[in-house]
Amino acid sequence: EAGVAQSPRYKIIEKRQSVAFWCNPISGHATLYWYQQILGQGPKLLIQFQNNGVVDDSQLPKDRFSAERLKGVDSTLKIQPAKLEDSAVYLCASSLHGEANYGYTFGSGTRLTVV
Amino acid sequence: GQNIDQPTEMTATEGAIVQINCTYQTSGFNGLFWYQQHAGEAPTFLSYNVLDGLEEKGRFSSFLSRSKGYSYLLLKELQMKDSASYLCAVSILREDSNYQLIWGAGTKLIIKP
Repeated sequence: EAGVAQSPRYKIIEKRQSVAFWCNPISGHATLYWYQQILGQGPKLLIQFQNNGVVDDSQLPKDRFSAERLKGVDSTLKIQPAKLEDSAVYLCASSLHGEANYGYTFGSGTRLTVV
Repeated sequence: GQNIDQPTEMTATEGAIVQINCTYQTSGFNGLFWYQQHAGEAPTFLSYNVLDGLEEKGRFSSFLSRSKGYSYLLLKELQMKDSASYLCAVSILREDSNYQLIWGAGTKLIIKP
């Protein structure tokens, strides 16, 4: 079974620039998550999709972050404009259903550095 | 509010045993996960406990006490490759009938020869 694919692996941008990340979940996984992980901290959920609908985006800074999951498969996360404090690893994860006991599979992440 | 506590860092010796504790205060408890995360890599699943007791899986075991809001991850016969961060995460069922994972900050485990 192919894993969760993410790109790019690394990105360096200047503050106030825009950036987009892409995620392709495991085939058949209905639930997709975007997490932000700052160095030394646990992952913070930004947004959760169930198919192509948003389940939870309560911690997404909506003034600068946006995400979409067209057709309930691939997803993109965008930051516009970026701030220095957005420097983090952005992890995409997917699960078969929303029920946590099926387990979450994470992608390799995108390491974003804002300078 | 929802809260998870685990030690920031622990050090252990190769070949020894180490126990990483996790305490939580959450509502709608639906199970507890342990994940391993090597530096620069994504978290990988280690264990899931939903009932009280000990779950053993090779060198790793995980324990849960729901009444005490407490779990631990036990690593035996430590190897250098076990140097990583260990993340405790609690699954909760929210009032809107959706599930959510609450994450601890992780425990950085350093293994010394």
